[in-house]
Amino acid sequence: QVQLVESGGGVVLPGRSLRLSCAASRFTFSNFGMHWVRQAPGKGLEWVAGISHDGNKTYYRDSLKGRFSISRDNSKNTLFLQMSALRTEDTAVYYCGVGGDYLAYWGQGARVTVSS
Amino acid sequence: SSELTQPPSVSVSPGQTARITCSGDVLPKRYAYWYQQKPGQAPVLVIYKDNERPPGIPERISGSSSGTTVTLTISGVQAEDEADYYCQSAGDSGVYWVFGGGTKLTVL
Repeated sequence: QVQLVESGGGVVLPGRSLRLSCAASRFTFSNFGMHWVRQAPGKGLEWVAGISHDGNKTYYRDSLKGRFSISRDNSKNTLFLQMSALRTEDTAVYYCGVGGDYLAYWGQGARVTVSS
Repeated sequence: SSELTQPPSVSVSPGQTARITCSGDVLPKRYAYWYQQKPGQAPVLVIYKDNERPPGIPERISGSSSGTTVTLTISGVQAEDEADYYCQSAGDSGVYWVFGGGTKLTVL
């Protein structure tokens, strides 16, 4: 069964940076596009960013362009989300998922709290 | 427009049929996908490409599409179906994703 495990979440001050990781296993990571989706407390799902199977194409939610960066290391089966200039409204659970047009599998999420 | 609109809540009695709609101008051009999310858990894909069921999803969960509206139908609703349901599609460009606001299904 596909396994996705996020890490790197925590409490961070506004304006600081944080990098999330998503370790993938039990499938051929380099064959699939990957995405990050977030969910603020008590709110709905919000797509954050996506990346092609080879890392050559990246896509971002318009409002996050310039602050968030998605990348991957296919040699280590790991997906990343670099978040900078964090704001209180970035507080959410961040999920990684595998898929091109939709997420067939999701990780359990990493909680990010931006607070002073 | 790349927005998807869902009713905030739907309530049904056990054994009845629940229908959750999702409307958006992009839906005649793009497939829709549905996810089920129970409290404290990650979402789970229940329908892909408008009406396809992934392995392990019961047959009483189905999807349909008509024009700018897609519908998730749960027949013979059970207590375990109580959850939030989200539709998802690609935006006009086909690259960026959009989610509906979610529908809370309550089993009375």
